Amino acid sequence: DQQVKQNSPSLSVQEGRISILNCDYTNSMFDYFLWYKKYPAEGPTFLISISSIKDKNEDGRFTVFLNKSAKHLSLHIVPSQPGDSAVYFCAASAAMTTDSWGKLQFGAGTQVVVTP
Amino acid sequence: DGGITQSPKYLFRKEGQNVTLSCEQNLNHDAMYWYRQDPGQGLRLIYYSQIVNDFQKGDIAEGYSVSREKKESFPLTVTSAQKNPTAFYLCASSISSPGPKGLEQYFGPGTRLTVT
Repeated sequence: DQQVKQNSPSLSVQEGRISILNCDYTNSMFDYFLWYKKYPAEGPTFLISISSIKDKNEDGRFTVFLNKSAKHLSLHIVPSQPGDSAVYFCAASAAMTTDSWGKLQFGAGTQVVVTP
Repeated sequence: DGGITQSPKYLFRKEGQNVTLSCEQNLNHDAMYWYRQDPGQGLRLIYYSQIVNDFQKGDIAEGYSVSREKKESFPLTVTSAQKNPTAFYLCASSISSPGPKGLEQYFGPGTRLTVT
């Protein structure tokens, strides 16, 4: 039973425009969320995170928004660049629960293609 | 140059054979993880270890075994009991902390295992 869902397997966006990636979760115990980026033949790399006590976190061109009531988060990339073409994974954790710390639940990923 | 090494990149085995995947890190991280990725699915946690000589089952541990005799190394054995062993396997590490920093995991490049 997938607790973290990324319902869009792919997204194509023009260079310079905004990329919006969506992620939904079902477990109300999740209190920390992360986005990872993965290039082909490489492991995922950490991109940005957000705690459930916030509704927005920004780091340069990347902003993550969290809507706890809807159990939904999104990643905005503005402006999109060709180097952003990659697979983006959403991940969640019940970080404050002793049994769960360190354990991440991942979504299936969204392939982003940024076209010139 | 710190990082995580997984070898080999591609591995082929016959059905019924056990196979061991290597994972080494020089990041001085206490925690290490093994994930499996299948097409259209997120990363699923197989085993994790928060400290040397200790490890816990993840969500899909059946048919797998691990050891953690050294801080730097966390090998994964895919046994003949694993019903669908063909997959992409990712190893990760992090500091061992219940806080957000413990969730920022660093991944290796992965090993693609094919069992025929």
